[in-house]
Amino acid sequence: DQQVKQNSPSLSVQEGRISILNCDYTNSMFDYFLWYKKYPAEGPTFLISISSIKDKNEDGRFTVFLNKSAKHLSLHIVPSQPGDSAVYFCAASVRNTGGFKTIFGAGTRLFVKA
Amino acid sequence: DGGITQSPKYLFRKEGQNVTLSCEQNLNHDAMYWYRQDPGQGLRLIYYSQIVNDFQKGDIAEGYSVSREKKESFPLTVTSAQKNPTAFYLCASTQSGSGANVLTFGAGSRLTVL
Repeated sequence: DQQVKQNSPSLSVQEGRISILNCDYTNSMFDYFLWYKKYPAEGPTFLISISSIKDKNEDGRFTVFLNKSAKHLSLHIVPSQPGDSAVYFCAASVRNTGGFKTIFGAGTRLFVKA
Repeated sequence: DGGITQSPKYLFRKEGQNVTLSCEQNLNHDAMYWYRQDPGQGLRLIYYSQIVNDFQKGDIAEGYSVSREKKESFPLTVTSAQKNPTAFYLCASTQSGSGANVLTFGAGSRLTVL
């Protein structure tokens, strides 16, 4: 049961253009949605988050949009830079009896071409 | 310098052997997590712990065991019952109740079964 889905395994974008990474979810109880960036052989690092009660959060070149009715969120990177090339994971957190649980999508590999 | 230390970085195991992966954090975080990453499958939750001496099974706990005797330590044992143990293992921590539940990850441990 994949509660968080990233349907595009990879995305290629020209430097300076916009990168749009998409994510869908099924659980209406998620409290927060987060994006992490990961380089090979390293742990993921936190990029940006959004509360389930918001529809947009912006931090520099990164903006996350949340559409609750469609259970869809997206990460926009503008302008894209070669250093942005990495795997991006969409994640969602929910509080249950055991504490906070974070579920990850399968990831999207972004290639930014110079 | 606060962070999460995972060891060993690389580990080889013969079939039928148990192996323990270490995870230590000096961030004073309450909650700790273990994830497994396989190609194309993102990060899957193995076990998590919100407080000392308590832990919960994640989505793929079979064949694994954990302990949480100290706040800063959350070792993971991969037992011989785990059918496909070859993977990249990631430990993470967070401060419980910290809004978005942002996880801080270690650098990972790559386990290969020969």
